[in-house]
Amino acid sequence: QVQLQESGPGLVKPSETLSLTCNVSGGSMRSYYWTWIRQSPGKGLEWIGYVYYSGSTNYNPSLKSRVTISVDTSKSQFSLKLSSVTAADTAVYYCARIGDYFDSSGFNYVGRYFDYWGQGILVTVSS
Amino acid sequence: EIVLTQSPGTLSLSPGDRATLSCRASQSVSTTSLAWFQQRPGQAPRLLIYGASSRATGIPDRFSGSGSGTDFTLTISRLEPEDFAVYYCQHYDTSGVTFGPGTKVDIK
Repeated sequence: QVQLQESGPGLVKPSETLSLTCNVSGGSMRSYYWTWIRQSPGKGLEWIGYVYYSGSTNYNPSLKSRVTISVDTSKSQFSLKLSSVTAADTAVYYCARIGDYFDSSGFNYVGRYFDYWGQGILVTVSS
Repeated sequence: EIVLTQSPGTLSLSPGDRATLSCRASQSVSTTSLAWFQQRPGQAPRLLIYGASSRATGIPDRFSGSGSGTDFTLTISRLEPEDFAVYYCQHYDTSGVTFGPGTKVDIK
């Protein structure tokens, strides 16, 4: 069973860089995409970006200028850095795996889906 | 960017009722890009439905998804106490990922 666990500081000062790590256990990182999502208090889900195990990335255009997501398969982890944070970046941050899915025949590809999630970590931006 | 809208914002029902949740996309999307998630209070979201209509592993058959083009529906045939939660639809393609604002199913 794949398990993900976020770690990092729970408090970050305004204008600094938020840094989080997601540890992956119970499965290989190879051939998968890995993603970060956040949820502001009482609000909905916002996708931040994803990284392929090889290192290629794709980011939410609204955050792209401040986000870096990287992967270290030797340590079974991937990381998020969000620079120049403000109070608006206060949120629960989730990491997740993006799995490839096929239909019941096993041959027809039906897309990629966020299938395993970490429990989330609350990061507060405050001085 | 695909924008997803969900309705209603809140659905107040009783255990045993049928719940019908709607997700509308700003333009036609492939069924292979549409998923539904459940989020219980204090928990991470859980994948319910992928490919618009396929149940994820371990999801009870009272949950079903349907739709195509711009209109998608999540149906819970008979609400159990553990089904009172927030439900999100999600679109994912090579350009990126968007979530709908969610529908809260609460106890009437």
